[in-house]
Amino acid sequence: SQTIHQWPATLVQPVGSPLSLECTVEGTSNPNLYWYRQAAGRGLQLLFYSVGIGQISSEVPQNLSASRPQDRQFILSSKKLLLSDSGFYLCAWSVQSGTYEQYFGPGTRLTVT
Amino acid sequence: QKEVEQDPGPLSVPEGAIVSLNCTYSNSAFQYFMWYRQYSRKGPELLMYTYSSGNKEDGRFTAQVDKSSKYISLFIRDSQPSDSATYLCAMSSFSSSGAGSYQLTFGKGTKLSVIP
Repeated sequence: SQTIHQWPATLVQPVGSPLSLECTVEGTSNPNLYWYRQAAGRGLQLLFYSVGIGQISSEVPQNLSASRPQDRQFILSSKKLLLSDSGFYLCAWSVQSGTYEQYFGPGTRLTVT
Repeated sequence: QKEVEQDPGPLSVPEGAIVSLNCTYSNSAFQYFMWYRQYSRKGPELLMYTYSSGNKEDGRFTAQVDKSSKYISLFIRDSQPSDSATYLCAMSSFSSSGAGSYQLTFGKGTKLSVIP
């Protein structure tokens, strides 16, 4: 069966510090991968998605970036965090084609102070 | 008009009640519909998905889609305290471009509390 991992689970970082969140998927090959942010009262916001190694599409212009160095690894980064980057970050995967369901990881709660 | 509207609640019901959760949408291109359950401080968990109008049943859960009215529902029978969570609807349309076919549009979620 497929499993998706995210770490760290929680993170408190000062404004201006760098960020690296990691997501890995097990039990599937060539998945589509997604990064979402969930802020209170604002629902799920798609940040990035990837259909393959090195292929990243950005949905929202911001100070975040994403990379996919391996087939089942997705990384969310920032060089300098802003207060507005606080939120619950979720990684998700889906199969390449044929179905549209996405499966989410446990999330990382980021607080920027 | 937002693409997907979902009443945020909170909705509080007694144990054993039938719960009805709903979403309306404006984009007639949406063809695929999903319901997720999210416990506090956890990632969303896929509950049900359906690709057609009508009803789909899975245990105590029934998903209903009415494409003519652009309205979807999730019914929970014999609700339990363990059903207390936020329920998110999600939907997608097929797009001939690679980008659109991979994206889901989510409602903001309805917070449900089932009281013992």
